[in-house]
Amino acid sequence: EVQLVESGGGLVQPGRSLRLSCAASGFTFDDYAMHWVRQAPGKGLEWVSGISWNSGSIGYADSVKGRFTISRDNAKNSLYLQMNGLGAEDTALYYCARGNSISAAGTIDYWGQGTLVTVSS
Amino acid sequence: QSALTQPASVSGSPGQSITISCTGTSSDVGSYNLVSWYQQHPGKAPTLMIYEDNKRPSGVSNRFSGSKSASTASLTISGLQAEDEADYYCCSYTGTGTVIFGGGTKLTVL
Repeated sequence: EVQLVESGGGLVQPGRSLRLSCAASGFTFDDYAMHWVRQAPGKGLEWVSGISWNSGSIGYADSVKGRFTISRDNAKNSLYLQMNGLGAEDTALYYCARGNSISAAGTIDYWGQGTLVTVSS
Repeated sequence: QSALTQPASVSGSPGQSITISCTGTSSDVGSYNLVSWYQQHPGKAPTLMIYEDNKRPSGVSNRFSGSKSASTASLTISGLQAEDEADYYCCSYTGTGTVIFGGGTKLTVL
């Protein structure tokens, strides 16, 4: 069974940093691309970033480019999102999600339960 | 990176069919067979319902079907059931290494 468990969310002041982690299990992690998708309270889904199986291809939404960095450690079956320069607009539930192929261009097929990030003074 | 365009809400009675549209551009929906659809119940994570425009994952009811014409994709739910009431999101690859979602559609089963 595919399991994705996010951690690292919490309350953070504007301008500060936060690092999210996602522990994956139930599948061969380095056979799949991975993504971060967020959902602001009461709002729709917003793709944040995606990374191919070997970190060779990485993409970001314009809203986070230059502030957020996605990475993965295949030896640890883990995905990360380093978030710098956080603003109120980054307040959201952050989902870790699996792509259905090695390429981040494919379908997102499994989702974690999310970790909540709240940016407020 | 503007969101794909979906109607804010649709509704139907049990047993009826409804269709949700998802309009993009020739750079995303119209260029790749990579439109997917997700169902999200309140307080839950999204679930994949359709992928690669019209393919159904194992375990998803055949009441759900996807199609596409030019830059507009569609999700059709036939034989509406109460448990289909949820938010639905379309999603597409954009060809620039990014992915884009629609704004979401709230389905109400009357």
